[in-house]
Amino acid sequence: KNEVEQSPQNLTAQEGEFITINCSYSVGISALHWLQQHPGGGIVSLFMLSSGKKKHGRLIATINIQEKHSSLHITASHPRDSAVYICAAERNYGGSQGNLIFGKGTKLSVKP
Amino acid sequence: GAVVSQHPSWVICKSGTSVKIECRSLDFQATTMFWYRQFPKQSLMLMATSNEGSKATYEQGVEKDKFLINHASLTLSTLTVTSAHPEDSSFYICSAPGTTTDTQYFGPGTRLTVL
Repeated sequence: KNEVEQSPQNLTAQEGEFITINCSYSVGISALHWLQQHPGGGIVSLFMLSSGKKKHGRLIATINIQEKHSSLHITASHPRDSAVYICAAERNYGGSQGNLIFGKGTKLSVKP
Repeated sequence: GAVVSQHPSWVICKSGTSVKIECRSLDFQATTMFWYRQFPKQSLMLMATSNEGSKATYEQGVEKDKFLINHASLTLSTLTVTSAHPEDSSFYICSAPGTTTDTQYFGPGTRLTVL
C-alpha cells in the first residue's frame, strides 16, 4: 500500500462543476502539499498546509490531521484547470523541508 | 514570484555517457535544493537533498556514485548522471523551498532519454 493515496485517478468534469480530489496518507507529516503538473511536466505548488483550510481563488484545500486526510476542491471548474493534481506528504523527520512522498496524481480533464 | 530554472529542458545521450543537469534559483538563495525523478506514469520520487557547502543526502536505493550532486553556490545545484543507461531515462525535477513563504518552488524539469 502506498504511503500516499489519491482518488480518483482520473476525473472528467463539465465546465462549471465543483470538483473534489482526495488524499489519504499513512505517515507522520509536518505538512501536506498540493501540486499541479501540466502536460509538459512543469509543476506548480498550489498549497502547503499543516492544519485547517486554505483558499486561493477557486481552489480550496483542507486537511484533517486526525483522519490523515486532505481534499482539494475546485469551484466553477474551467478547461484551463485540466492538469494532473498531486498530493505530497512532507515527512515529519524534523529535518529538511521538502522531503516529500508523492501520490500518483489525479488526472483532471474539464470539458467545455 | 520566486523562480527555479533547469537546464537543459531535454537531453538525449548515448548509453555510457554522463549528463549534467543544472538547477538554479533565479531570485532567491537556496541552501537546500531537492532532486526528484518521475518515470512514465509513475509518481515523483525524491532522489536526494542537495546542501550548499556539504554532501548531498541520498534516498534509499539511489546510488550516490551514479547520481553526483554538487551544490556549488546558494543559487546552483547540479545533478550529473554518470555512465547513463536507458533505465535512467526519466523526467528529473528540482525544487527549492521558499525563504519567506511556506512553499516549494519547482523547476520545469529535464527530460532525459538515454539511447
